[in-house]
Amino acid sequence: EDQVTQSPEALRLQEGESSSLNCSYTVSGLRGLFWYRQDPGKGPEFLFTLYSAGEEKEKERLKATLTKKESFLHITAPKPEDSATYLCGGGGSNYKLTFGKGTLLTVNP
Amino acid sequence: SAVISQKPSRDICQRGTSLTIQCQVDSQVTMMFWYRQQPGQSLTLIATANQGSEATYESGFVIDKFPISRPNLTFSTLTVSNMSPEDSSIYLCSAASGRFDEQYFGPGTRLTVT
Repeated sequence: EDQVTQSPEALRLQEGESSSLNCSYTVSGLRGLFWYRQDPGKGPEFLFTLYSAGEEKEKERLKATLTKKESFLHITAPKPEDSATYLCGGGGSNYKLTFGKGTLLTVNP
Repeated sequence: SAVISQKPSRDICQRGTSLTIQCQVDSQVTMMFWYRQQPGQSLTLIATANQGSEATYESGFVIDKFPISRPNLTFSTLTVSNMSPEDSSIYLCSAASGRFDEQYFGPGTRLTVT
C-alpha cells in the first residue's frame, strides 16, 4: 500500500528564518511527487511536480527536491504570507495520488 | 492550469437527507476526482469520475452512498446520500489533463450534518 508521511506536523518560524519540510514516501511505481499549498477554507493550490531523483524546482522562496525515498520543500527567508499548510502527494503507477497529512507552517513577523 | 468551481461552498444538512455537490471545470479534462478532507487527516480519494461510464470507487466508498455523475468532460456531481454526522467533512473536486498530470482542486464544499 502506498504511503506518504510528512514532518513536522507543524512548524513555526520567524520571518527570514529558513527551514525545510520533509515528505517521505513509499509509492509503487512513482510517476510524480506533487507539492501543494492550502490556505484555510480553500482548496489545495498546485506548486510543483518532481518526476525523478535529483530533480529540483523553484518558485519564489520555495525550492522542492526529490530523492528516491523523500522530498524536501525548502523555504528561504520566509514571509508571513507563506503561512499555510503544505501538502505532499505521491502519484503511482495507478495514477492515483496518496497524500500526507500536511505540515502547518506559521511564519511570524 | 484548470480553474474549478464547486457549488455549494457550504451547507448544513439534517441526518437522513442527501446533498448533491456540483463541480465545474473551465476547460475539458480527461480526469476528474472527488476527495474528502477531514480535520487533521490526509486528503482521501473517494472515487474517479469517468465520463460516460460508472465512477471508480476506492476501498471504503460505495456507489449507493456516494453516487457520482460525469455527463461530459467539464462537469461532475457527487451526492452524499442518507447523511449521518460522520459525513461532516470538506468535499473537494479535482481535475487533471491526463492520468499522470498534476491535479487542480476546487475550493471545496464544507458539509455539516446535524
